[in-house]
Amino acid sequence: GEDVEQSLFLSVREGDSSVINCTYTDSSSTYLYWYKQEPGAGLQLLTYIFSNMDMKQDQRLTVLLNKKDKHLSLRIADTQTGDSAIYFCAAPRGGYQKVTFGTGTKLQVIP
Amino acid sequence: EAGVAQSPRYKIIEKRQSVAFWCNPISGHATLYWYQQILGQGPKLLIQFQNNGVVDDSQLPKDRFSAERLKGVDSTLKIQPAKLEDSAVYLCASSFKGAETQYFGPGTRLLVL
Repeated sequence: GEDVEQSLFLSVREGDSSVINCTYTDSSSTYLYWYKQEPGAGLQLLTYIFSNMDMKQDQRLTVLLNKKDKHLSLRIADTQTGDSAIYFCAAPRGGYQKVTFGTGTKLQVIP
Repeated sequence: EAGVAQSPRYKIIEKRQSVAFWCNPISGHATLYWYQQILGQGPKLLIQFQNNGVVDDSQLPKDRFSAERLKGVDSTLKIQPAKLEDSAVYLCASSFKGAETQYFGPGTRLLVL
């Protein structure tokens, strides 16, 4: 099966919170990442968390890590229409500087 | 600070033709990656360079794909001959040596007809 799994689609109303989930298999102690991809663009690094942390907050973004369950989530508070994009989780794959990307979650924000 | 540069942004070719993509990483980044992103999927690593040496090319279809980074700075990815299933976005990324945080270019969209 896939090393990194994400749900494919999430729809929220503007102003609500969005929660995007990710599960991974490799337990290497390193960083886990969230990237954002807007249409026609490359991937933009949003935030990351080191694997010895449980939570990281960065303005409207909150990352939660459950290392026991190998579950990562990204919460976007007060979701705006500009947040509409595909969000990719990236987790260590084993080996030097290697990560595996999930299939991406498409976030649709309804005005 | 300039980001990762890629060219061309778009390319349309017919199957069995050849195509080349160019990438210039962020200044000082020793590690360079080429990814293939098929529509609806996450990026898949094709090849990883550390300076001008190959670290991982296990998922590169070597019968038709090749890549080089001769001076340890910019890189070229070539497909020869192209197949219909090569239609995808080719992303280049770079990172500092020893770091996993990768910074991506805008990608090259390839359509093979």
